Amino acid sequence: DTGVSQNPRHKITKRGQNVTFRCDPISEHNRLYWYRQTLGQGPEFLTYFQNEAQLEKSRLLSDRFSAERPKGSFSTLEIQRTEQGDSAMYLCASSLRHPNEKLFFGSGTQLSVL
Amino acid sequence: KQEVTQIPAALSVPEGENLVLNCSFTDSAIYNLQWFRQDPGKGLTSLLLIQSSQREQTSGRLNASLDKSSGRSTLYIAASQPGDSATYLCAVISDYNQGGKLIFGQGTELSVKP
Repeated sequence: DTGVSQNPRHKITKRGQNVTFRCDPISEHNRLYWYRQTLGQGPEFLTYFQNEAQLEKSRLLSDRFSAERPKGSFSTLEIQRTEQGDSAMYLCASSLRHPNEKLFFGSGTQLSVL
Repeated sequence: KQEVTQIPAALSVPEGENLVLNCSFTDSAIYNLQWFRQDPGKGLTSLLLIQSSQREQTSGRLNASLDKSSGRSTLYIAASQPGDSATYLCAVISDYNQGGKLIFGQGTELSVKP
């Protein structure tokens, strides 16, 4: 068990390009969450999965954002037609099913849109 | 709509001092409250989780208290050390959403001077 892994650690892209991030949760964790964090702010919830089912999506997740967890293991977050306002740290977290279980976060993917 | 506020935004103390970080939330109907630590450019590490039925949790030099009725939580750090320097975030899960969506405060940036 090496914790939650996120790749890449950093991504620089030009406005209008598509980007994809990957998250590998702790192996026995069936819940997986995506958050977005900008400088000086707390993380904001984007979406979460229970196994392969996407159970909730924030209104922050516009139609340019899509997340998948095809086999209930790793997850991907894709942003299409990136905008400068998408620049942020994208954090992935996982936990066991019960909401009283602690969340374990990855180190995040820092996205810069030029 | 649940809102979480942390005051102060930044705090600087000399090594060895005991300190208290504050967290307030607008809707007292919470499922639990968690305190996290975040080092610069890194993900979050869960420190303490207090269930709604609990009043406090302790781990080493850390003690977190919860007063649901007043919408407040405090994180007490005893005998602070330079290694405690980091941003501390509190987050709540509201009762109506037990799926695990955490709502975060903006964080308190702590600096412990040697």
